[in-house]
Amino acid sequence: KAGVTQTPRYLIKTRGQQVTLSCSPISGHRSVSWYQQTPGQGLQFLFEYFSETQRNKGNFPGRFSGRQFSNSRSEMNVSTLELGDSALYLCASSLDFGNTEAFFGQGTRLTVV
Amino acid sequence: SQKIEQNSEALNIQEGKTATLTCNYTNYSPAYLQWYRQDPGRGPVFLLLIRENEKEKRKERLKVTFDTTLKQSLFHITASQPADSATYLCALEASNYQLIWGAGTKLIIKP
Repeated sequence: KAGVTQTPRYLIKTRGQQVTLSCSPISGHRSVSWYQQTPGQGLQFLFEYFSETQRNKGNFPGRFSGRQFSNSRSEMNVSTLELGDSALYLCASSLDFGNTEAFFGQGTRLTVV
Repeated sequence: SQKIEQNSEALNIQEGKTATLTCNYTNYSPAYLQWYRQDPGRGPVFLLLIRENEKEKRKERLKVTFDTTLKQSLFHITASQPADSATYLCALEASNYQLIWGAGTKLIIKP
């Protein structure tokens, strides 16, 4: 079956702009989590959605938001981009909320200039 | 404060030897701990999960141990191969099912 699909793969934005990243989970998976990864840092948890509801939220400013649609696809939005937002953004899907194994997409590489 | 730590320096191992990676944590009482492999430019790939009531878990050449008293998990790759070279991440279940991740250890297997 198809894996987790993230689009776009690469993105270059200017400071102050906003960006929307998309994630299509594995078919049948209802939980989607988002992470930010920067060099030398572990994956930093952004938020998790299950059945269109945000179940968990990490310690990120309100500029970071997300949503999940009825087909489990998810988007995350970052407004007023800062240089420090440059990172690899990873989406992971799981069968259920609190499920154990996470399946990751290849990520979206965001560069803010 | 709560922390999860992995060796930040790269681990160089000769092909055929056993590679052992360490994951230590403080101020957590996870119900389970997971190990993932990440190759450059790609998302992590799940390898093994071990629960708090399990001491050891095996999968082919991989073995994971979990010592809740020491608050430590060890990840072993036996008969290591150059193809095992990657960054290995540990993640533990914190409160409310949220996964907390270590920064990863880069493993280099030399032929």
